[in-house]
Amino acid sequence: AQKITQTQPGMFVQEKEAVTLDCTYDTSDPSYGLFWYKQPSSGEMIFLIYQGSYDQQNATEGRYSLNFQKARKSANLVISASQLGDSAMYFCAMRETSNTGNQFYFGTGTSLTVIP
Amino acid sequence: GAGVSQSPSNKVTEKGKDVELRCDPISGHTALYWYRQSLGQGLEFLIYFQGNSAPDKSGLPSDRFSAERTGGSVSTLTIQRTQQEDSAVYLCASSFGGRVNEQFFGPGTRLTVL
Repeated sequence: AQKITQTQPGMFVQEKEAVTLDCTYDTSDPSYGLFWYKQPSSGEMIFLIYQGSYDQQNATEGRYSLNFQKARKSANLVISASQLGDSAMYFCAMRETSNTGNQFYFGTGTSLTVIP
Repeated sequence: GAGVSQSPSNKVTEKGKDVELRCDPISGHTALYWYRQSLGQGLEFLIYFQGNSAPDKSGLPSDRFSAERTGGSVSTLTIQRTQQEDSAVYLCASSFGGRVNEQFFGPGTRLTVL
């Protein structure tokens, strides 16, 4: 089974609107972390937001929030008030802790295009 | 700022040649990761170093791939007898050993095998 599943290869959103990027995960590790990264066309990976498996509150960072539904194993990213600069690839990732340390798994990404 | 650096930024090589890709992690980061990203694809985990522990090589696609990390800092990813399917962007990331373990990524090395 895929560790991280992103089912939306491409998404479009009108500028100033909100958009939700889906992410589901699969793990039996009771302690794990969930991350979202942004990759603009320039190629660099930019950390956006983190959610720990034991965190009670949904994580928020400015216009980014993570809709964490533990029972459903979903960790959707919500971007509010979309801006043209938000157009990029977005990757969901999960950290598990194994005997050798931490392992990271990435989804296949969602390409977001913000329309003026 | 002193972020993760990678060199070279671009590498073009001929099929069958060996290549070395270098990663300088953020000072003090104990964990270092190598990923491969093929055109339009997600990240494929290759190898992971944590402190002085033996590296996790479970993601290496073949025995042509190897990596080392000297002195717990700089890492070199070596691809022997390169093949055209090795063409990709190779990304390095480092992180603290703490709970959050946010990874900081380098700019990547774009490898093209002709």
